[in-house]
Parts: sequence; C-alpha cells; structure tokens
Amino acid sequence: DIQMTQSPSTLSASVGDRVTITCRASQSISSWLAWYQQKPGKAPKLLIYTASYLESGVPSRFSGSGSGTEFTLTISSLQPDDFATYYCQQYHSYFFTFGPGTKVDIK
Amino acid sequence: EVQLVESGGGLVQPGGSLRLSCAASGFTFSSYWMSWVRQAPGKGLEWVANIKQDGSEKYYVDSVEGRFTISRDNAKNSLYLQMNSLRAEDTAVYYCARGYLEDYDFWSGYHFYFDYWGQGTLVTVSS
Repeated sequence: DIQMTQSPSTLSASVGDRVTITCRASQSISSWLAWYQQKPGKAPKLLIYTASYLESGVPSRFSGSGSGTEFTLTISSLQPDDFATYYCQQYHSYFFTFGPGTKVDIK
Repeated sequence: EVQLVESGGGLVQPGGSLRLSCAASGFTFSSYWMSWVRQAPGKGLEWVANIKQDGSEKYYVDSVEGRFTISRDNAKNSLYLQMNSLRAEDTAVYYCARGYLEDYDFWSGYHFYFDYWGQGTLVTVSS
C-alpha cells in the first residue's frame, strides 16, 4: 500500500502569512493527489485535485504543486476562514490513502 | 444541487452488525464511483471502500476486508455499507463520498477523487 506523510503536523500562523504544507508518498503517484480542508464537526472539502488544479469555487490563494512523491499545498495569504486541518490523499491506486493531516491554527 | 445524506449509524456492541445508507440526489448516481471514508474521534481520515458505477468492482482497506461489504442500488440512488463483526476500533464518523472520474489508463486503472461528501453518520462500537 502507498503510505502518505505530511509535514508539519501542526502549523501556527497569523492572518496574512504565506503557509506551505508538504505531503510525501512512499512511491510515485504521478500527479494523482488531492488536498482537502476540514473544519471541526464538518465533512472534508475538496480544494485541489491532480496535484495542482483548483476546484471550482475555491479561492485562488490556495495552490498545489508537485509530482511523483513530493507535493505542496500553499496558502498565499492566510485568511481567518483558513484555520482548519488539511489532508492530502493519493488516488493512484484503488486503495486510497490519506495523509495524517496538518492542523493550521492561530499564532 | 448534489446531496449525499448518510443514515444508519448508532451504538452497537462488539461483534454486532450495522448497515449504513447514503441517499444521493442532484446528479446521475449511476455514473459515478462511490466510496465510504471514516474518521475515528479526534483522528484523521481513513478510506474504507470504493464501488464502481455498476457495482462490478469493489475495493476495501485491509482492516475491514471480509467484515464490511459495500453495495449500491442505482434504481434507488443509494449506497450502502454492511458492517459485520464490528470492533471498538471501527468507532468513527462514516462519510459517503462521490468519486469524480478523472482518467483511466490500462496500467494503473481508474483515477478519481472525492468531490462531494455527505455530513457523516456516527458509529459507536461499545459494550
């Protein structure tokens, strides 16, 4: 099975900061990677698919990059609504796996 | 508007069974892969199972293989998860999710991501 890791596990930041989260796969997954945002008590929300494509309706301050085994999610200017937990997920194989999550909280 | 509404969660004793349902609306249900994803209290997301549009292919995470069965009824626009031999570690919020098919290639198969999620239903396994 493909294992996913994320770093950092927690990130403290201020409104307006540029934030970068890294996701690594245990083997190449090409660009078959999605990013989700989850707030407490809510279902996850799709942000990015195929590593770098922005889902419709998602603010342009979110961006994704990478391929193979290393990927990043960047928030160019953190907004109050962005404090949440972020998960990467590979869909290279039918046996999907998520990263452990990165919690972005207020500094 | 796409809607996914889960139901069927509750408290069950270890070794017991439960059947979750997911009612879909606002899209052509029979055209999409569907999945179940769970989240234990205070933990991260864990993919549970996938089912192809016509039900001909099903995939499971190792920890539920042989105990859980994913199925669908396209005439009723519904997805199901039959959970048997439940364990304490199966305690979680269970989400159904729609799989948006992006690509297919001969070597690695279908590639789809989750574009819509339900609100989740809580399953608690405890004596």
